[in-house]
Amino acid sequence: QVQLVESGGGLVKPGGSLRLSCAASGFSFSDYYMSWIRQAPGKGLEWVSYISSSSSSIDYVDSVKGRFTISRDNAKNSLYLQMNSLRAEDTAVYYCARSLEWLTLPADLWGQGTLVTVSS
Amino acid sequence: DIQMTQSPSTLSASIGDTVTITCRASQRISSWLAWYQQKPGKAPKLLISKASSLKSGVPSRFSGRGSGTDFTLTISNLQPDDFATYYCQQYNTYSWTFGQGTKVEIK
Repeated sequence: QVQLVESGGGLVKPGGSLRLSCAASGFSFSDYYMSWIRQAPGKGLEWVSYISSSSSSIDYVDSVKGRFTISRDNAKNSLYLQMNSLRAEDTAVYYCARSLEWLTLPADLWGQGTLVTVSS
Repeated sequence: DIQMTQSPSTLSASIGDTVTITCRASQRISSWLAWYQQKPGKAPKLLISKASSLKSGVPSRFSGRGSGTDFTLTISNLQPDDFATYYCQQYNTYSWTFGQGTKVEIK
């Protein structure tokens, strides 16, 4: 079954850290660009970060630069997001999504999301 | 960053209606525009890529048009399953950006 499954969300205090994971199955993970996209409660979608298939190209939205780190392990068919120095405004459902190419194809498969809540 | 502006924010319609959602980019993005459908508590689903290419399995009552800065998503013969929130997204730059969403609700 072709799917993406996120995990690792939860409640964390401001300034804390969390590591999200995304497990891919049913397709050739190493062929795809992967991204993290988040959605604050009741709000719209915000792209957070992407990583190329070989990890050679990475980018982040300005608001998380220096705090979040995206990585992947193609041998384990897994994508990660290390989130440090978390703020209340990082509270959101975090989705992982795949794209066969960057700049010419959108995300055609999304996971179900994992909720991150930053609160004291 | 490229800003994406959708209108309207909310749209009330009846079963069988034809509705159109507009998306405007702050700069030209050629046809690198996608449309997604999202239902409450669920992940977004891709409907259309490259402004007008319907994803396999998506009903033909969905159609997209436009290029440059102005785009539309039209849903013909609105069905109960179509009541949801719709987002446009540009993927012309390394930093993707989304419209703020249009909620299609039952009149």
